[in-house]
Amino acid sequence: GQSLEQPSEVTAVEGAIVQINCTYQTSGFYGLSWYQQHDGGAPTFLSYNGLDGLEETGRFSSFLSRSDSYGYLLLQELQMKDSASYFCAAPTGGFKTIFGAGTRLFVKA
Amino acid sequence: DSGVTQTPKHLITATGQRVTLRCSPRSGDLSVYWYQQSLDQGLQFLIQYYNGEERAKGNILERFSAQQFPDLHSELNLSSLELGDSALYFCASSSPGAETQYFGPGTRLLVL
Repeated sequence: GQSLEQPSEVTAVEGAIVQINCTYQTSGFYGLSWYQQHDGGAPTFLSYNGLDGLEETGRFSSFLSRSDSYGYLLLQELQMKDSASYFCAAPTGGFKTIFGAGTRLFVKA
Repeated sequence: DSGVTQTPKHLITATGQRVTLRCSPRSGDLSVYWYQQSLDQGLQFLIQYYNGEERAKGNILERFSAQQFPDLHSELNLSSLELGDSALYFCASSSPGAETQYFGPGTRLLVL
């Protein structure tokens, strides 16, 4: 079947760096997106990797390796406001989009 | 503010009833997506429309239906509601050829 696997929870300290991994198994794969969702809020787009390698957007970076069917989101200089759920997402064959189950990030002072 | 609007924000109804959720995409976006998110769950893709035509179908129940109108707004109809249909329903839109989906604030549905 088609799936994206990511850890359910990650805890890190304010100011630290955290990496959230996503492994995927999809047909018709052509890129990996990342979304952030605060409790009670809507998902917001963070980053997209259409090609292998690293994409950097401020404190957030995302990486993709097609050969390993793997990607990650890297958050640097963690702030309390980064406490949220993070989802990886990928289009599948036939225009469907599937999301991972989400990783809940807890940032501690 | 993503530019995507959804109404209503909250909806409380009884089992067996029918409701309609409405979504207006960002200006210029032709694609509309519907997702269901149950408590502490991920986003389940329901259906996608592109410029008025159904483009992809996910795990959408037969009791659910959707459409996209000529002005590109979309409606999701949920009928014969069950307790398990209680969830957040999100609409998202994207522009042609773009991967980024912009999500609306969601409609929180509670079926009692």
